[in-house]
Amino acid sequence: QQQVKQSPQSLIVQKGGISIINCAYENTAFDYFPWYQQFPGKGPALLIAIRPDVSEKKEGRFTISFNKSAKQFSLHIMDSQPGDSATYFCAASYSGFNKFYFGSGTKLNVKP
Amino acid sequence: KAGVTQTPRYLIKTRGQQVTLSCSPISGHRSVSWYQQTPGQGLQFLFEYFSETQRNKGNFPGRFSGRQFSNSRSEMNVSTLELGDSALYLCASSPVLAGGPIETQYFGPGTRLLVL
Repeated sequence: QQQVKQSPQSLIVQKGGISIINCAYENTAFDYFPWYQQFPGKGPALLIAIRPDVSEKKEGRFTISFNKSAKQFSLHIMDSQPGDSATYFCAASYSGFNKFYFGSGTKLNVKP
Repeated sequence: KAGVTQTPRYLIKTRGQQVTLSCSPISGHRSVSWYQQTPGQGLQFLFEYFSETQRNKGNFPGRFSGRQFSNSRSEMNVSTLELGDSALYLCASSPVLAGGPIETQYFGPGTRLLVL
């Protein structure tokens, strides 16, 4: 059973546009939701993370929106740049278990 | 601080062989997790070690095993390699304290294993 479902699988956005990636989870015990960015040949790098006590968190051009009742969270990349072209993964974990469940990934291509 | 380091970076093996991968966590990090990344299955959790003990385990066969040393360095072993074991194996370290809240995982660059 896939604990975290991510969509879309791929995304093409024009430079300056908004990229939106969505994730849905099953386990209501999850209480930590990070997003990772991965470039080819590199390991995933933490981008931004949120806990369910807040509905939104913003860091620079990156924003996580969290909807606890719908069990969904999303990543918004404002003013998308070609350098943002990478694969993005959402993930979820819960206290007491340092075990992360990852979404399937979204390959973002920002056109110049 | 130096990041998570993994060795070797690339490896080619043949079916039936065994392989050992190594991971050095960020200094001070006591938790080390291993993941398998493939195009078809994405990132899948293998196991996590904390203070030399396996705390969490994913749904992988017993051919996949690991250990952690007193300096927090970790090794992962895969025995009787199969073609389907070809993947990027990622190690992640975390500063998590026993019983404490979840902390961020920091990934290494991975070891790319090709099984022929």
